[in-house]
Amino acid sequence: AQKVTQAQTEISVVEKEDVTLDCVYETRDTTYYLFWYKQPPSGELVFLIRRNSFDEQNEISGRYSWNFQKSTSSFNFTITASQVVDSAVYFCALSEAQGTYKYIFGTGTRLKVLA
Amino acid sequence: AAGVIQSPRHLIKEKRETATLKCYPIPRHDTVYWYQQGPGQDPQFLISFYEKMQSDKGSIPDRFSAQQFSDYHSELNMSSLELGDSALYFCASSDSNNSPLHFGNGTRLTVT
Repeated sequence: AQKVTQAQTEISVVEKEDVTLDCVYETRDTTYYLFWYKQPPSGELVFLIRRNSFDEQNEISGRYSWNFQKSTSSFNFTITASQVVDSAVYFCALSEAQGTYKYIFGTGTRLKVLA
Repeated sequence: AAGVIQSPRHLIKEKRETATLKCYPIPRHDTVYWYQQGPGQDPQFLISFYEKMQSDKGSIPDRFSAQQFSDYHSELNMSSLELGDSALYFCASSDSNNSPLHFGNGTRLTVT
């Protein structure tokens, strides 16, 4: 069975601090996708990144970076120099690479960035 | 760029009433997914459609049904509403190339 664990329920940081959100997943599939979505207070789900299981290269996009380690089944997300606008709930998700591609979400991490 | 459109944004119903939620996917997206997100919870997969046929089913109650129409829009029909159905309902769409899911802004259903 597939499972995504986000052990950090809530994190508070002060603006300009770096913060890492952890994501650990379980799957028997050899091919799969991993995702991060942001859900700001307004409620919409905003796509941030997708990574497929064959691509372990880390990725950086502005202040965001992602560290995918297949050996530890982790796909962690780091925000550098956090800003108040980064305050949101962040979901990690997993989908199979075949079939219907439905997502299994983690329980989310609520990030509060304080001014 | 066009996004997934959901209507209505907010809906208030009483127990035992029915509700219909609508979803208009991004143009040329042929796959639609419905998710339910309870307060403080993660989104849970309900059902999906590909080319107007049901492709997968998750934890969707028997009181709920859904379909995808010829123009690819989808409707989620919910009957005999219960207080526990109060949630944010998301629709998402993707294309045949397995693009990442694009979510609509959600419909917030409140059952009183």
